[in-house]
Amino acid sequence: EIVLTQSPATLSLSPGERATLSCRASQSVSSYLAWYQQKRGQAPRLLIYDASNRATGIPARFSGSGSGTDFTLTISSLEPEDFAVYYCQHRTTFGQGTKVEIK
Amino acid sequence: EVQLVESGGGLVQPGGSLRLSCAASGFSFSTYWMQWVRQAPGKGLEWVAAIKEDGSEKYYVDSVKGRFTISRDNAKNSLYLQMNSLRVEDTAVYYCARVVSHYDVSDYWGQGTLVTVSS
Repeated sequence: EIVLTQSPATLSLSPGERATLSCRASQSVSSYLAWYQQKRGQAPRLLIYDASNRATGIPARFSGSGSGTDFTLTISSLEPEDFAVYYCQHRTTFGQGTKVEIK
Repeated sequence: EVQLVESGGGLVQPGGSLRLSCAASGFSFSTYWMQWVRQAPGKGLEWVAAIKEDGSEKYYVDSVKGRFTISRDNAKNSLYLQMNSLRVEDTAVYYCARVVSHYDVSDYWGQGTLVTVSS
């Protein structure tokens, strides 16, 4: 079973700053990786699929990269609504999440 | 507009049963795999079960095998999760979600329904 490890657990940043989130797979998943955003009390929202493709309606400040075992979600300039928890996913496995909080 | 609306959650004692429902609209329900994902209070996401478009294939996380049953009624555009022999550790918000890729990516999620297992 593949394990997805996200880092850091918490990222403390200010609006306007760049956020870089990592997801590492225990074995290669090719480019088959998705990223979700979850705000408190809400359902997850698909951001990125196939490692680097933005889902419908997702702003361009969100980008994904990587392949094999190492993946990155980048938010180029944090907006107030971007402070949330982010999860990576491959098949039935989710990472443990990275919380992006206001510094 | 795609909509997924869960119902059926509530408070149940350990060993009890609940049946969750998910009403789908705004898309051709019978042409998509569907799945249930849960989230325990303050915890991360955990995949629970998935079902093929025609219901002929079903998959479960090990912790619910033999206790939970996923099913669907394509005529009613509905997804179900029958949960038996519930345990305290099954307490979570349960989301239904539409699957759009071979590696289980979900592009639409319901708002979730809370299941609390407690005596």
